Amino acid sequence: KAGVTQTPRYLIKTRGQQVTLSCSPISGHRSVSWYQQTPGQGLQFLFEYFSETQRNKGNFPGRFSGRQFSNSRSEMNVSTLELGDSALYLCASEAGEGTLAGELFFGEGSRLTVL
Amino acid sequence: GDSVTQMEGPVTLSEEAFLTINCTYTATGYPSLFWYVQYPGEGLQLLLKATKADDKGSNKGFEATYRKETTSFHLEKGSVQVSDSAVYFCALSDRDTGRRALTFGSGTRLQVQP
Repeated sequence: KAGVTQTPRYLIKTRGQQVTLSCSPISGHRSVSWYQQTPGQGLQFLFEYFSETQRNKGNFPGRFSGRQFSNSRSEMNVSTLELGDSALYLCASEAGEGTLAGELFFGEGSRLTVL
Repeated sequence: GDSVTQMEGPVTLSEEAFLTINCTYTATGYPSLFWYVQYPGEGLQLLLKATKADDKGSNKGFEATYRKETTSFHLEKGSVQVSDSAVYFCALSDRDTGRRALTFGSGTRLQVQP
């Protein structure tokens, strides 16, 4: 079956702009998580959505937001971009049942460069 | 809070050498443990996992044993190949945090030379 698809794969923005990233999970998966990957901070959890509801949130400022649609597709938005937002943004999906994160299936990521 | 510590990389080995990548963790509860691998230009893939003490996860010749007494989950492979060159991440999932997310280590880059 098709894997997790993220678009766009690469994008360049300037400070102050906003950006929207999209993620299509594996068919049947209801949980979508977002992670930020940077050389300095590594992989950090942004948020998780399940059945259109944000179920968990990491320690990121309010400029980072997301949503999930009824077909489980998810978008994340970053407003008022800063240079430090340059990163690889990874989306991951899983079935979503249970209280523990289990086997996550990751997309290839969206690489954001902020100039 | 929860944390995962991995050995610094890069680790450079010759083909067919034995691999160990150390991973230790701190968790408030009783976590599940994972190893993920990231090949160049790709997202992360689950390599193996273990959900309780003394469990051994294994896949593609890689193994790791959940050691509660030493809070460790070291990754091993008996004979590495050039195709194993990648970044390896140790991670945990802890129900007691109330947050349904993975906590990752910083990653260890493995370079295997022919």
